[in-house]
Amino acid sequence: EVALVESGGTLVRPGQSLTLACAASGFTFEDYGMSWVRQGAGKGLEWVAGIDWTGTETKYEDSVKGRFTISRDNAKKFVYLKMTTVRVEDAAVYFCARSGYLSMGAFDIWGPGTTISVSS
Amino acid sequence: SDVLTQPPSVSVAPGQTATISCGGDFIGRNNVNWYRQRPGQAPVLIVYDDSDRPSGIPERFSGSKSVGTATLTITGVDVGDEGDYYCQVWDVGSGHRLFGGGTKVAVL
Repeated sequence: EVALVESGGTLVRPGQSLTLACAASGFTFEDYGMSWVRQGAGKGLEWVAGIDWTGTETKYEDSVKGRFTISRDNAKKFVYLKMTTVRVEDAAVYFCARSGYLSMGAFDIWGPGTTISVSS
Repeated sequence: SDVLTQPPSVSVAPGQTATISCGGDFIGRNNVNWYRQRPGQAPVLIVYDDSDRPSGIPERFSGSKSVGTATLTITGVDVGDEGDYYCQVWDVGSGHRLFGGGTKVAVL
């Protein structure tokens, strides 16, 4: 079964760092682009970062550029999101999602999400 | 403000047709995808590349696009169609993915 499962969500203080992980299974991971998408409480979806199938090309939403780093390990079938200098506004459910199967631009598989809370 | 503009909510009677619009400058030059999200769940892709449906998505869900606006149409709406619906594009020029603000569909 094709699946993505996120982990690493926790409560952090502003300014701290943490890394989220997303484990993929049931498909040829290295063939697809991956992204992180977040959703604040009661808010809409916000794309955060994306990485191509090779891991060489990355893109970031402007508010996280320079603070977050997306990476992947194709051998282990994981994608990561390293978050530094975390802000209160980064609190959200973070989803990882696959792109490039049905369409290069569409996310056809999503994980259930992992929650980041930010409070001092 | 949202780069892709959606109405905040749409109400529809059972059996009727719901239409959700998604507008913005990015619509014309990029393919549009649509997702449904139920409370506490991850989004699900229901339309991709403007008008294609993934396997398992009923024909009741259809997408279309004209200059500057994409539309998701749900015919024969039932209570199971309630949820939040989001449009999304991949702006090839910047490489960024963009979501609309979402539309809450209520079946009255």
